[in-house]
Amino acid sequence: AQSVTQPDIHITVSEGASLELRCNYSYGATPYLFWYVQSPGQGLQLLLKYFSGDTLVQGIKGFEAEFKRSQSSFNLRKPSVHWSDAAEYFCAVVPPGSQGNLIFGKGTKLSVKP
Amino acid sequence: DTAVSQTPKYLVTQMGNDKSIKCEQNLGHDTMYWYKQDSKKFLKIMFSYNNKELIINETVPNRFSPKSPDKAHLNLHINSLELGDSAVYFCASSQDGRGKFTRGTQYFGPGTRLLVL
Repeated sequence: AQSVTQPDIHITVSEGASLELRCNYSYGATPYLFWYVQSPGQGLQLLLKYFSGDTLVQGIKGFEAEFKRSQSSFNLRKPSVHWSDAAEYFCAVVPPGSQGNLIFGKGTKLSVKP
Repeated sequence: DTAVSQTPKYLVTQMGNDKSIKCEQNLGHDTMYWYKQDSKKFLKIMFSYNNKELIINETVPNRFSPKSPDKAHLNLHINSLELGDSAVYFCASSQDGRGKFTRGTQYFGPGTRLLVL
């Protein structure tokens, strides 16, 4: 079945440590790929997106993501996590040939230890 | 300036009532969406409108009816509210062409937290 998978429900990292959040998709063709962040009680903010071209994408707040076609993955990374990064992170896709609606993964909750 | 705004932010109501949630975007976008986020934080598309025309209508009860008076507004009316309607409802907008495989990035409102008692 076509889907977006975020294998990690909850990740805890220490402040200053590096972070990688995983996202895999299963579609016949490469969808458009997005990462959104939702802080507690807040709306969704776009971190970065991939449509085509350079497979390493830079986003806001020091985040980056790498598209790997062979692994059907679009993992989000940050070299040094700040306490303010604690939030829920959603990977999302616009499937090929769709009307444009986002299909979301189930989210990964990030906790940051002091 | 708020790009995508929703009112109200919180809505507490009794079962069986009818309520509306309003959404407005000042980005000049031509496509607007409603998403529902359940208690487990799962987000799912409900509707989308492009230039006031319904494009996407996922499997949503008929009690939910979107209304788009103009392309800057997409309101959500819910009849006969049920306990299971309790959720956070997000409005979003993007700049897309009708019938195209959109690459328009969607910008989200702050959400409306609906609690049905």
